Amino acid sequence: RKEVEQDPGPFNVPEGATVAFNCTYSNSASQSFFWYRQDCRKEPKLLMSVYSSGNEDGRFTAQLNRASQYISLLIRDSKLSDSATYLCVVKEDTDKLIFGTGTRLQVFP
Amino acid sequence: NAGVTQTPKFRVLKTGQSMTLLCAQDMNHEYMYWYRQDPGMGLRLIHYSVGEGTTAKGEVPDGYNVSRLKKQNFLLGLESAAPSQTSVYFCASSSAMGSYSNQPQHFGDGTRLSIL
Repeated sequence: RKEVEQDPGPFNVPEGATVAFNCTYSNSASQSFFWYRQDCRKEPKLLMSVYSSGNEDGRFTAQLNRASQYISLLIRDSKLSDSATYLCVVKEDTDKLIFGTGTRLQVFP
Repeated sequence: NAGVTQTPKFRVLKTGQSMTLLCAQDMNHEYMYWYRQDPGMGLRLIHYSVGEGTTAKGEVPDGYNVSRLKKQNFLLGLESAAPSQTSVYFCASSSAMGSYSNQPQHFGDGTRLSIL
């Protein structure tokens, strides 16, 4: 079983749609969780951290379910500029990050 | 704001050649990392450093060596390049310690390396 698993997609959605990505992780002792965004042929960039109580940043909402070891990202009112690969990332001990393979999103006009 | 800078950005090597990738950060971060990214796989940690003069193995360290002689620099070396090392290499740095911190890693823009 992979340590961090994501649906690779692609998710093809029209502008204005709401789309949700899911991620599961295997290490129940993990404490920090993130969503990173990676554009084609670019470096990963932090989109948002994921907190136990859930958190929102504009059109983006992240949720964490520790009991199910499940993380989600919701994007509302999708924009063309949201097209990218979204990486689910879990931080383990010694500050090491475990990356999922990413979910590709394509927003079309 | 330079952040994390990687050099070179592209390189083509022949099997058996050696080279060094340089990573420099200007954020005074203690932690630095080298990853590789291959199609269909998540970023995989090669080596990392928790401070000047220290290095440690990550998930896929074989065939690579690293050095952290200065806090701001982290070098990744390939002593005898192999086609399996064709990949995109990312360097990152962070200020955080331990799994309880939500401080992110900051990435360089990558080095595309092809081994023929």
